[in-house]
Amino acid sequence: LAKTTQPISMDSYEGQEVNITCSHNNIATNDYITWYQQFPSQGPRFIIQGYKTKVTNEVASLFIPADRKSSTLSLPRVSLSDTAVYYCLVGRKPGGSQGNLIFGKGTKLSVKP
Amino acid sequence: NAGVTQTPKFQVLKTGQSMTLQCAQDMNHNSMYWYRQDPGMGLRLIYYSASEGTTDKGEVPNGYNVSRLNKREFSLRLESAAPSQTSVYFCASSETPTYGYTFGSGTRLTVV
Repeated sequence: LAKTTQPISMDSYEGQEVNITCSHNNIATNDYITWYQQFPSQGPRFIIQGYKTKVTNEVASLFIPADRKSSTLSLPRVSLSDTAVYYCLVGRKPGGSQGNLIFGKGTKLSVKP
Repeated sequence: NAGVTQTPKFQVLKTGQSMTLQCAQDMNHNSMYWYRQDPGMGLRLIYYSASEGTTDKGEVPNGYNVSRLNKREFSLRLESAAPSQTSVYFCASSETPTYGYTFGSGTRLTVV
């Protein structure tokens, strides 16, 4: 299973754009990249998923270069409520050859006023 | 919509006691999972069930057993609790295994 590396923590201010980069050098052809958000005392919440290039939804954008060895989660104009831990995951389908989503330690984002 | 419901929310056990954590989802998802989360460790997969009738070990299965009772319910059992099993336990489900896991609110378990 591909291992991911992301910064332990990041600080930002309200209204700024935040980019969190995740490294996954051993990503396999069938792997997807998924990001989750977790608030204290809650379970993680799905944010966005992609395979290549760029994916955008109402919450965030995900940028994946051609070699897919890294990805960047972009949060536009963050607010205090975006303070959370963000997890980058790489994985395949459980029940298939091998797979389930492996969570690392995540990036703790602190947004300040 | 309830989503994924876990019971109980809090539990204190004595070493050696047994208990079952319950999880139910109402989204008709095929796959269900149990994770534990320890401070500074992120989430680690204990067991998962890719579909009704199947279960598989994850990263940290020792000391745990699971039962996929039906499509909706997936329980986690601690036969003889140990202090090392003090953790927050999360259940999750998904329709397609790579997309959009939905997590429950967690069970905070303390073993003394």
